Amino acid sequence: DTGVSQNPRHKITKRGQNVTFRCDPISEHNRLYWYRQTLGQGPEFLTYFQNEAQLEKSRLLSDRFSAERPKGSFSTLEIQRTEQGDSAMYLCASSTDRGLGTFFGQGTRLTVV
Amino acid sequence: GDSVTQMEGPVTLSEEAFLTINCTYTATGYPSLFWYVQYPGEGLQLLLKATKADDKGSNKGFEATYRKETTSFHLEKGSVQVSDSAVYFCALVTNDYKLSFGAGTTVTVRA
Repeated sequence: DTGVSQNPRHKITKRGQNVTFRCDPISEHNRLYWYRQTLGQGPEFLTYFQNEAQLEKSRLLSDRFSAERPKGSFSTLEIQRTEQGDSAMYLCASSTDRGLGTFFGQGTRLTVV
Repeated sequence: GDSVTQMEGPVTLSEEAFLTINCTYTATGYPSLFWYVQYPGEGLQLLLKATKADDKGSNKGFEATYRKETTSFHLEKGSVQVSDSAVYFCALVTNDYKLSFGAGTTVTVRA
C-alpha cells in the first residue's frame, strides 16, 4: 500500500493556460475525492467519485473545472483558462467505506502567475 | 449546512505542556467527528475519530471526546513534544462521504 499519490507536486502556470493534475488512489479504494485548500483554511470539498461515476460536484467547481475517473482507477482534474484565484493546494483522497477511513495525498500546489 | 469551528491559532507551547484545541460543530444529522494533522511538508493524516456521542478517540497520546450536548470535539494532549508541531484540523461527515473541515490550528512546540 503506497498511499494516495498525486502528480505533479507543484505547478506554476501562466494565467489563461490549462493544467491537469493526476491522482492515483489507494488500490481497491472505490471512492475518490478532490478537495481544494487555500492558505489559512481547511480543505473544501470539490467533487466525489464512486468507481467511475462522478456523484457530486460542489458549487466551487466552476465550468472551467472538470474531473474524470476513467475505469474507476486514477483520476484527473483539469482546470481550463486558469485564473489567479485558482492558486491553491489541490488534494485528492480515497476511501473504501462511508468516510470513516479517508486517506489524503500530499497534494498538488498550483500557482497561477 | 454542516460546519466546524475550531480555535484560532497559532498556538505556541513549551515541551511537556498541556495542549487543548477547541472544536465545535453544527450539523443537521448525526455526524462522525475527526481530527486530522498536517506535519510540515506532508499531507493530511487522520489522527483520531469518534462515530457517536460519548465516544472517545485516541492516538499518539491525543484524545478527543464526542460531546453531543455541547456539540464539541476538543483535542487534548497531556504532554506535547517538539514533534507534535503541526497544523490540526477538526472535521465532520454527516452524509456518506463529504468531509467538512475547520480552518485549522497551527501548533508550535518549543524545546
